[in-house]
Amino acid sequence: RKEVEQDPGPFNVPEGATVAFNCTYSNSASQSFFWYRQDCRKEPKLLMSVYSSGNEDGRFTAQLNRASQYISLLIRDSKLSDSATYLCVPGPSSNTGKLIFGQGTTLQVKP
Amino acid sequence: DTAVSQTPKYLVTQMGNDKSIKCEQNLGHDTMYWYKQDSKKFLKIMFSYNNKELIINETVPNRFSPKSPDKAHLNLHINSLELGDSAVYFCASSQNNGLSYNEQFFGPGTRLTVL
Repeated sequence: RKEVEQDPGPFNVPEGATVAFNCTYSNSASQSFFWYRQDCRKEPKLLMSVYSSGNEDGRFTAQLNRASQYISLLIRDSKLSDSATYLCVPGPSSNTGKLIFGQGTTLQVKP
Repeated sequence: DTAVSQTPKYLVTQMGNDKSIKCEQNLGHDTMYWYKQDSKKFLKIMFSYNNKELIINETVPNRFSPKSPDKAHLNLHINSLELGDSAVYFCASSQNNGLSYNEQFFGPGTRLTVL
């Protein structure tokens, strides 16, 4: 299994749709997880952190399944401004802070 | 009030030249990173410094040399630039709270093009 695996997409959805991305990871020692958002030609920005089984922030919900080693991101009521690449990042398991970024899943929300 | 800043934003240069990219963070973090994002969009760690000490040194050519004069700055010097060095280089910072590393904050990136 790759360290972090994501479906690159693109996922093309209409405004208002609900869309979910999955991410699998290989390092069972990761304790924290992050979803970053990266707009075209911009830097990655933290969207959500997950430290337990899940986290919810407005239209965004992240769920963690440690047994199966996957984490999902659900976006409800998609907006045009949600169009971006979403990067799955398992937290570091060593004391170096090293993060392994997934390839990212590209979302395109259409009017 | 920029949190993580990088200069320059764009860098176009000839093969064989030596260039530097600078990074500064005003978040008070103790750890800084350099990442490379190539044309396939993979974001890969290159180096990391914690309180001016090198803690991550991935397999990168030794033409790349990071320097951290203090914990708020991490610069990247590249010697003898090659075509394959063309990429976007991101600086990032985070705080190590002793138990784990918190989320990383990224600079705007430096788009390097080697001709």
